[in-house]
Amino acid sequence: EVQLLESGGGLVQPGGSLRLSCAASGFTFSSYAMSWVRQAPGKGLEWVSAISGSGGSTYYADSVKGRFTISRDNSKNTLYLQMNSLRAEDTAVYYCAKGGALWFGEKGADYWGQGTLVTVSS
Amino acid sequence: QSALTQPASVSGSPGQSITISCTGTSSDVGGYNYVSWYQQHPGKAPKLMIYDVSNRPSGVPDRFSGSKSGNTASLTISGLQAEDEADYYCSSYTSSSTLVFGTGTKVTVL
Repeated sequence: EVQLLESGGGLVQPGGSLRLSCAASGFTFSSYAMSWVRQAPGKGLEWVSAISGSGGSTYYADSVKGRFTISRDNSKNTLYLQMNSLRAEDTAVYYCAKGGALWFGEKGADYWGQGTLVTVSS
Repeated sequence: QSALTQPASVSGSPGQSITISCTGTSSDVGGYNYVSWYQQHPGKAPKLMIYDVSNRPSGVPDRFSGSKSGNTASLTISGLQAEDEADYYCSSYTSSSTLVFGTGTKVTVL
């Protein structure tokens, strides 16, 4: 059974940093792209970032480019999102999602975690 | 990258068919066959319903179908059921090597 468990969310001040983790199990982690998708309270879904199965290719939304860094440790079956220079508009539930293929663009995101809430506020 | 355009709400009676549109540009929906659709119930994580325009993951009822014409993709739910009441989002790969989601559609079963 595929499981994705996010952790690391919480309250952080504007300008601060936070690292999210997503522990994966139930599939060959290195064979699939992974993504982070966020959802602000009461709002729609927003794609944040993706990484190829090998970790060699990374992709970012313009809204987080230069501030967020996606990475993965295939030996630990874990996905990460390092978030720096956080802003109030980064407040959202952050979901970890498994891609349906090695490359994030095809086959959609077929499994999602339950999400972790990040609140940026003073 | 602007969000893809979806109607804010669509409604139908049980047993009816409804269609949700998702309009983008030639740089996203129109340029690639990488459109997906997600269902999200309140307080829950999204669930993949359709990938690559018209493919259904295993376990998704065949009442759900997807298509695309030009810059607009569509999700059709046939034989609408009470449990189909949820928010639906489309997404597409873009020419900027990113993904973009739609604005979301609330489906109400009357």
